[in-house]
Amino acid sequence: DSGVTQTPKHLITATGQRVTLRCSPRSGDLSVYWYQQSLDQGLQFLIQYYNGEERAKGNILERFSAQQFPDLHSELNLSSLELGDSALYFCASSVGPPANTGELFFGEGSRLTVL
Amino acid sequence: KNQVEQSPQSLIILEGKNCTLQCNYTVSPFSNLRWYKQDTGRGPVSLTIMTFSENTKSNGRYTATLDADTKQSSLHITASQLSDSASYICVVSLPDLYNTNAGKSTFGDGTTLTVKP
Repeated sequence: DSGVTQTPKHLITATGQRVTLRCSPRSGDLSVYWYQQSLDQGLQFLIQYYNGEERAKGNILERFSAQQFPDLHSELNLSSLELGDSALYFCASSVGPPANTGELFFGEGSRLTVL
Repeated sequence: KNQVEQSPQSLIILEGKNCTLQCNYTVSPFSNLRWYKQDTGRGPVSLTIMTFSENTKSNGRYTATLDADTKQSSLHITASQLSDSASYICVVSLPDLYNTNAGKSTFGDGTTLTVKP
């Protein structure tokens, strides 16, 4: 158990809909990262927050947005969903940035299926 | 072109055998290189972390090496077990030069290892 909690574990929805994925980082971790992993693909970095502020952005679509709240939990909002958005979405947390050998701890992911 | 390339893409070995996975990167400068193990449908779990000044790190039957001159890393698995069947991911992290707390990392696409009895 990494200590990172993601909900929901599974989600099935229709095209055009909007969903929110939630992540609770390990106690004491200030950084939260979101990744997308499509079937048989590598992990694609979406966005990172540190202590409530956006710090790094990857290939995140404009239809997607995220935020980190004062209690450090984070939410990833996916809107106008398309079939291609079906994927595993992982959240990871670390005390500091990976550059400082801040270990990344991953949650078990939220599997999104768009029909 | 991915700045972190892993080979082979997939590998099948017999239980008890050794294997070596490769990671070539062009990310420069870098702060550290990590190897993760990802079981199917699960979150990645860290195996080893090496800074640019380290050239080997072990974690049980897993040994990672790093050659910063040639920008190559390898993960050697000794006496493989069925539970080693997973995807192994190489991740290179950039230095946080301006203390922005930005976590910039580049992920390889992984090597899928299958260990057969």
